[in-house]
Amino acid sequence: GAGVSQTPSNKVTEKGKYVELRCDPISGHTALYWYRQSLGQGPEFLIYFQGTGAADDSGLPNDRFFAVRPEGSVSTLKIQRTERGDSAVYLCASSPSPGLLYEQYFGPGTRLTVT
Amino acid sequence: TQLLEQSPQFLSIQEGENLTVYCNSSSVFSSLQWYRQEPGEGPVLLVTVVTGGEVKKLKRLTFQFGDARKDSSLHITAAQPGDTGLYLCAGVGEETSGSRLTFGEGTQLTVNP
Repeated sequence: GAGVSQTPSNKVTEKGKYVELRCDPISGHTALYWYRQSLGQGPEFLIYFQGTGAADDSGLPNDRFFAVRPEGSVSTLKIQRTERGDSAVYLCASSPSPGLLYEQYFGPGTRLTVT
Repeated sequence: TQLLEQSPQFLSIQEGENLTVYCNSSSVFSSLQWYRQEPGEGPVLLVTVVTGGEVKKLKRLTFQFGDARKDSSLHITAAQPGDTGLYLCAGVGEETSGSRLTFGEGTQLTVNP
């Protein structure tokens, strides 16, 4: 079966612009996570969805970042008024359920570059 | 804030050598996972450990969870060029909701033929 997919794979935008990053989780996975990975660093948690609702958004750096998952499947991470510091790889992961022993399956990421 | 410190950050060795990567924290974790990440791809899970003192083996890789569940190690025996990659440890905190992962900074391993 298909894994987690993310589009676009690369996004270059100008400072101040708005961007949307899309994540298609594995079918049937109820838990969906967004992480951000800067160069030379490990991924950093942003937000976690259980179904349609954001169960934990404590990792979002500020109110320019917002994510939705309206039908409990596809999720979109939205960044307003992008800044150069937002440049990173944005990773999405899904899991059958939010439990300790449930593996998180990661997508290949979207590389965002803000010029 | 829960932090995971990985060491070393970079490791370059010759084929056939052994190596150990460490992951340490002052916090207790409910579970600890090790991932491997290739360039342009997302992390792929290698193992999950949940019990203090637990040891798991995956071919030439041995993973250990500390007795106090605050640290872990990854040992590779007779490393091969195919082992080259970024190794990440990640933990789920005891009071963390939904199994959000806290990652270490990673260890970039290069195995030279």
